[in-house]
Amino acid sequence: NAGVTQTPKFQVLKTGQSMTLQCAQDMNHEYMSWYRQDPGMGLRLIHYSVGAGITDQGEVPNGYNVSRSTTEDFPLRLLSAAPSQTSVYFCASSYSAVGFEQYFGPGTRLTVT
Amino acid sequence: GESVGLHLPTLSVQEGDNSIINCAYSNSASDYFIWYKQESGKGPQFIIDIRSNMDKRQGQRVTVLLNKTVKHLSLQIAATQPGDSAVYFCAENKNSGYSTLTFGKGTMLLVSP
Repeated sequence: NAGVTQTPKFQVLKTGQSMTLQCAQDMNHEYMSWYRQDPGMGLRLIHYSVGAGITDQGEVPNGYNVSRSTTEDFPLRLLSAAPSQTSVYFCASSYSAVGFEQYFGPGTRLTVT
Repeated sequence: GESVGLHLPTLSVQEGDNSIINCAYSNSASDYFIWYKQESGKGPQFIIDIRSNMDKRQGQRVTVLLNKTVKHLSLQIAATQPGDSAVYFCAENKNSGYSTLTFGKGTMLLVSP
């Protein structure tokens, strides 16, 4: 199993550009989530999904969209990038929404200029 | 690149010492807790978890203690090794509807040979 994979590893965007961060898992996990990590802030939840077709907002959802059309994939879309979205983004998955460890991908480092 | 360890509390120990990393959690209704280890440039990696009906759980070289009275969680690492150097995060499941983990800001552990 590859586990949780994320692409790209690094990305530089100009303010106002859009892009999609890709996340895939091959463990047949029903629960997937996106976090951003900023220095001194820990990990903050952006959006999560408890199964295909079901998504919900986390702590910091503004400026991001998600969809979940398959169990395996959970892309994160930035519609109009802002410098405040400069961060490291992690995707995670777990077997179930409740009480199970989350497996994290390697992260995408995004810089918005 | 910028380190996620900037501005974090730091624990410095000698190789072979026992390390104790502490975490105060916020919600008395939280029912599940996890410790993660994050090495520089990588995603968080699961170490150990504990449910609220327990006060202690042991793994290989690690022990987690849960004190619900004062909402405190600790991670003990026995015979700390240089490879244990990383940022350690505690996370709680606040048990409010769908499971979402809330992460602490992290503690950097530095192990010198």
